[in-house]
Amino acid sequence: DAGITQSPRYKITETGRQVTLMCHQTWSHSYMFWYRQDLGHGLRLIYYSAAADITDKGEVPDGYVVSRSKTENFPLTLESATRSQTSVYFCASRTGRGDTQYFGPGTRLTVL
Amino acid sequence: GENVEQHPSTLSVQEGDSAVIKCTYSDSASNYFPWYKQELGKRPQLIIDIRSNVGEKKDQRIAVTLNKTAKHFSLHITETQPEDSAVYFCAAVNYGGSQGNLIFGKGTKLSVKP
Repeated sequence: DAGITQSPRYKITETGRQVTLMCHQTWSHSYMFWYRQDLGHGLRLIYYSAAADITDKGEVPDGYVVSRSKTENFPLTLESATRSQTSVYFCASRTGRGDTQYFGPGTRLTVL
Repeated sequence: GENVEQHPSTLSVQEGDSAVIKCTYSDSASNYFPWYKQELGKRPQLIIDIRSNVGEKKDQRIAVTLNKTAKHFSLHITETQPEDSAVYFCAAVNYGGSQGNLIFGKGTKLSVKP
């Protein structure tokens, strides 16, 4: 579990500001994911990446941007934060298809 | 696409009793079914998983059963303890499909009363 980290762990921002959440993994996993967790909705996939420079949309991508220039990093950017993006964000990674998926510790984001 | 329904949303049991959480999935091609446990304020952690070529898997007090015909799978926790209190998520995926991403149920909050 120590192999996947997120920063910051807590963030408060204002509506309209740009926010970037960082995810770093030391396992050289090919796949990386961003989820948001909201009460009553479980874990919803925002974006995922199968390898460096390959990203794709998940279930709820609107308002978010991702990039993956290096295998170990997968930042998530909220270009213009809205109150509806207040949530807990989890990064996850796995080696390949069929492998165990591991989650980061999460980032609690509050948009005022 | 895949859809996973999880029941119940909340479950309260006495310490020592058994707990059962059920999930149904829609894509008959799904072939991997993990269960995650999330304690309050913590990350989801894998506790057990099962693949479609197996009907049941056990790990100490935890077991998972899979019924491919009915497209449902269940988590069984025996001799529950207070530390089993958490939110449990089931998930399903067809790893041979175009995306191969886990689809999660909405979670079950299990409370074990001493």
